[in-house]
Amino acid sequence: DARVTQTPRHKVTEMGQEVTMRCQPILGHNTVFWYRQTMMQGLELLAYFRNRAPLDDSGMPKDRFSAEMPDATLATLKIQPSEPRDSAVYFCASGLVGGDTEAFFGQGTRLTVV
Amino acid sequence: AQKVTQAQTEISVVEKEDVTLDCVYETRDTTYYLFWYKQPPSGELVFLIRRNSFDEQNEISGRYSWNFQKSTSSFNFTITASQVVDSAVYFCALSVVDSSYKLIFGSGTRLLVRP
Repeated sequence: DARVTQTPRHKVTEMGQEVTMRCQPILGHNTVFWYRQTMMQGLELLAYFRNRAPLDDSGMPKDRFSAEMPDATLATLKIQPSEPRDSAVYFCASGLVGGDTEAFFGQGTRLTVV
Repeated sequence: AQKVTQAQTEISVVEKEDVTLDCVYETRDTTYYLFWYKQPPSGELVFLIRRNSFDEQNEISGRYSWNFQKSTSSFNFTITASQVVDSAVYFCALSVVDSSYKLIFGSGTRLLVRP
């Protein structure tokens, strides 16, 4: 079964440290999404890419978050410096716009910033 | 603007009962997709179904069925003869067919099926 792979699955870090989360989308998918899930805000869209180009990252705090797709097999979400309020589960999803449009989600990265 | 409302925060049923999860959406677009995802205790988001705005036919898949009504902007999900393994958080989502196809999620309904 093709699936979206996220690493790490869990991350505990100290406030102020840099955190990098990685995502391997499903081969052939042209769209990658990053979502954040918290109890208070639910599932929020942070950023998404189409054919590796960023289309919208308005959901991200620009001063500390950055998202990139260095190649078609890797998407990264970086937080620098991290803060306790960044503690959440971060999901990556990929989909094929123009074909099946459902997004397939990875298992998420549970981030705890202490 | 698009919005998805899942008014039921939590539902508790006894095994074998039928249960319906409500979803109401808002959009001015005429072309869109509606989705249901399941999030079991393990945390992953599992795709269940996608419907496009031009197809109002109800769909049944085993114990799951979906009722799409454009007149009331609703896309409800029914589980027949619920089982303990159905316990999860269920999310309804909307995707508008514009340049983004981004998913807008409701707040989710937590379903607890008791033995």
